[in-house]
Amino acid sequence: KAGVTQTPRYLIKTRGQQVTLSCSPISGHRSVSWYQQTPGQGLQFLFEYFSETQRNKGNFPGRFSGRQFSNSRSEMNVSTLELGDSALYLCASSAGTRALAEQYFGPGTRLTVT
Amino acid sequence: DAKTTQPTSMDCAEGRAANLPCNHSTISGNEYVYWYRQIHSQGPQYIIHGLKNNETNEMASLIITEDRKSSTLILPHATLRDTAVYYCIVRVEGDNDMRFGAGTRLTVKP
Repeated sequence: KAGVTQTPRYLIKTRGQQVTLSCSPISGHRSVSWYQQTPGQGLQFLFEYFSETQRNKGNFPGRFSGRQFSNSRSEMNVSTLELGDSALYLCASSAGTRALAEQYFGPGTRLTVT
Repeated sequence: DAKTTQPTSMDCAEGRAANLPCNHSTISGNEYVYWYRQIHSQGPQYIIHGLKNNETNEMASLIITEDRKSSTLILPHATLRDTAVYYCIVRVEGDNDMRFGAGTRLTVKP
């Protein structure tokens, strides 16, 4: 079974621009969560989507948004990029039910904002 | 904020057991203890989780104290490939809002 895939793997953007990251979950998984990882803040939860609906949200500004499609693929968008948005963005998928709670992470997208 | 505390770093000799402690003194009754690890430049990898009983799988064993305020992840025969940052997390099963702390950087030495 293929794992979680994220595209692109690396991205360089300029301050003020916007960016869209993509995540394809493991086949059959309906939950997709997004995390931001930085050296200073560690791994922080952004939001979770389940069956095309945002189910949970972390403490990030409205510049960070996401969506999920009917095939469970998810996109994350960051508008008006700031230097502090430079980070590794990780996507994780799970079956979404409480009985199967393991999350499987993708390799991440490393975003650099200059 | 993370609800767990872990040592910043640990060393282990190759082939020996690695015992990684975690304190979670404010854990709630319906929260599970989860362990993940992250090898440099990769996404975190699920290792094991448990509620109150000790658990074992092909990767590791998880020992949870009777009061559930602390736990230990045991890698029975550490290899160089086990060098990674290990995260201990408490969460309600199925809740994907996981609060990671700084983790323990385990270095397995030959």
